[in-house]
Amino acid sequence: SAVISQKPSRDICQRGTSLTIQCQVDSQVTMMFWYRQQPGQSLTLIATANQGSEATYESGFVIDKFPISRPNLTFSTLTVSNMSPEDSSIYLCSVTLGGEQFFGPGTRLTVL
Amino acid sequence: AQSVTQLDSHVSVSEGTPVLLRCNYSSSYSPSLFWYVQHPNKGLQLLLKYTSAATLVKGINGFEAEFKKSETSFHLTKPSAHMSDAAEYFCVVSFGYSSASKIIFGSGTRLSIRP
Repeated sequence: SAVISQKPSRDICQRGTSLTIQCQVDSQVTMMFWYRQQPGQSLTLIATANQGSEATYESGFVIDKFPISRPNLTFSTLTVSNMSPEDSSIYLCSVTLGGEQFFGPGTRLTVL
Repeated sequence: AQSVTQLDSHVSVSEGTPVLLRCNYSSSYSPSLFWYVQHPNKGLQLLLKYTSAATLVKGINGFEAEFKKSETSFHLTKPSAHMSDAAEYFCVVSFGYSSASKIIFGSGTRLSIRP
């Protein structure tokens, strides 16, 4: 199994600022996934982060808006840049290990 | 292309009656299938998973799901609903067993329980 922690658990930010979310896993994994869950919606995959290479972004998400770092096999960060109220969501990181998906507790972001 | 469809956005049942939450998938490969539950303001919790073993999978809190390849379905059931079952339920499909596997979430089904 994998235990995932995220920081911060929640934040309230001003429009135009940026927030970096950290994700730490207790196991070494090749890829880490970042999801967004907008209010009342399902989870949408933002990007897949592979250690040692650039992240792969899904349609509708771009690196300038959501830069990702993956410095080692247990850690990743997602930055939400130049925030607007539409970015208010829960952001989750996830890993696949042994055929099972594990999710972090999420970061609840509110943009005013 | 791989996809997952939850057929009902909202299901409402009376306490003590059966629950059925429907999920269909589309895949060119043998998928792994999961049901997750998300209570209000809580994180995702794994209810059960299918990974090509027994087709009838039993999960936590009395839930179970049956994998039917011929119907490409993985419906979630519970014989008797409890008030604490009120939550959002997500059917999830994963393709592959490696750490590079990507998963796809269904749109979710909100389960309401009437007293």
